[in-house]
Amino acid sequence: QSALTQPASVSGSPGQSITISCTGTTSDVGGYNYVSWYQQHPGKAPKLVIYGVSNRPSGVSNRFSGSKSGNTASLTISGLQAEDEADYYCSSYTSNSTPWVFGGGTKLTVL
Amino acid sequence: EVQLVESGGGLVQPGGSLRLSCAASGFTFSTYWMNWVRQAPGKGLEWVANIKEDGSEKYYVDSVKGRFTISRDNAKRSLYLQMNSLRAEDTAVYYCARGWTSAFDMWGQGTMVTVSS
Repeated sequence: QSALTQPASVSGSPGQSITISCTGTTSDVGGYNYVSWYQQHPGKAPKLVIYGVSNRPSGVSNRFSGSKSGNTASLTISGLQAEDEADYYCSSYTSNSTPWVFGGGTKLTVL
Repeated sequence: EVQLVESGGGLVQPGGSLRLSCAASGFTFSTYWMNWVRQAPGKGLEWVANIKEDGSEKYYVDSVKGRFTISRDNAKRSLYLQMNSLRAEDTAVYYCARGWTSAFDMWGQGTMVTVSS
């Protein structure tokens, strides 16, 4: 079982917005602003889309946004496009014995 | 071009050893923490280990402590993962990833490690 909890799947139609949640504890998500999100297309390496809870790296579409409330972080993708169909993973720094943890991943389907 | 290229994966028997390498180019390797992250077939991402810029600090996921060793050679702009006492559950694609602002901002293409008899 992953340290961070994500829904297994979400779906949306082109143009709509979706939100993926990432729930942890006060030892990770809730305790640090070190939450990041990654997009992974099949057979490809992950790509950073959000860092530091809500910051977008250069080159990432502004349709991607991040937020956090308590022990739950969220990734929102607005104006869904077919190319957004992928797996999404959250990650956080943690004060536990393993310093970095990932969520189990969420498969986004664009209908 | 800024990139990370892993190598060294392959098929190994349970209990065997393997050494992975990651060659960095296009950035100042010696100024970044570096990480290994793995992904078992059909599964999610799992952080494995990381190493400080100068190699003075190293951290591991509990499941590999005492079996895996991360190291780096800044002169050769290379990251390594020595994997001993390999188990079936270590079967995965292994990615090297650059640490930046408490995230992993660059990833290699990955190298597949299969532990099987």
